[in-house]
Amino acid sequence: AQSVAQPEDQVNVAEGNPLTVKCTYSVSGNPYLFWYVQYPNRGLQFLLKYITGDNLVKGSYGFEAEFNKSQTSFHLKKPSALVSDSALYFCAVRDIGVDNAGNMLTFGGGTRLMVKP
Amino acid sequence: GAGVSQTPSNKVTEKGKYVELRCDPISGHTALYWYRQSLGQGPEFLIYFQGTGAADDSGLPNDRFFAVRPEGSVSTLKIQRTERGDSAVYLCASSSRGREQYFGPGTRLTVT
Repeated sequence: AQSVAQPEDQVNVAEGNPLTVKCTYSVSGNPYLFWYVQYPNRGLQFLLKYITGDNLVKGSYGFEAEFNKSQTSFHLKKPSALVSDSALYFCAVRDIGVDNAGNMLTFGGGTRLMVKP
Repeated sequence: GAGVSQTPSNKVTEKGKYVELRCDPISGHTALYWYRQSLGQGPEFLIYFQGTGAADDSGLPNDRFFAVRPEGSVSTLKIQRTERGDSAVYLCASSSRGREQYFGPGTRLTVT
């Protein structure tokens, strides 16, 4: 069974400072990894994904994430936080399985990012 | 272009009643997914359609839950004999085969 852990319920950072939101995963096959952001009363918005290739993935709104296979981690990062980045962030994994047929996403519990002016 | 839409945005129903939640995916997306998000938690997978057929319904919690996608586009999630524990936000997503999923705004279901 696949699983995702987001160890921090909330991350607080001052505007202009770098931010990191942590994510670790466990899958039986090859992982496809995703980050989504959720603003109040809105659906999840796709930020970025890792499938294969370069371990540093760049996504929307200046966010990036680093895939680390040995540590089974996929932390979300941004060099300079904005107040408007304050939202709920979800890490997710899709286990494609040995037959490349899996499709469901397994989500972490979410991390609330608070960026203060 | 238009994103995933879901109706209604909010639904309040009494315990024991039947409800239907509708999802209209992005045009051309063959895959459609339903998830349920309880307060303070991440979304949990319910069911996945590829075209008209349910390719994976392993996340449906019990036989009170059923979903259809008769023409390979719009999908309806149906819940019979609703219980208070069914209260949650029901999210729909669609994707092109093998690509990332795009989510709708969700339907907030409250069972009183």
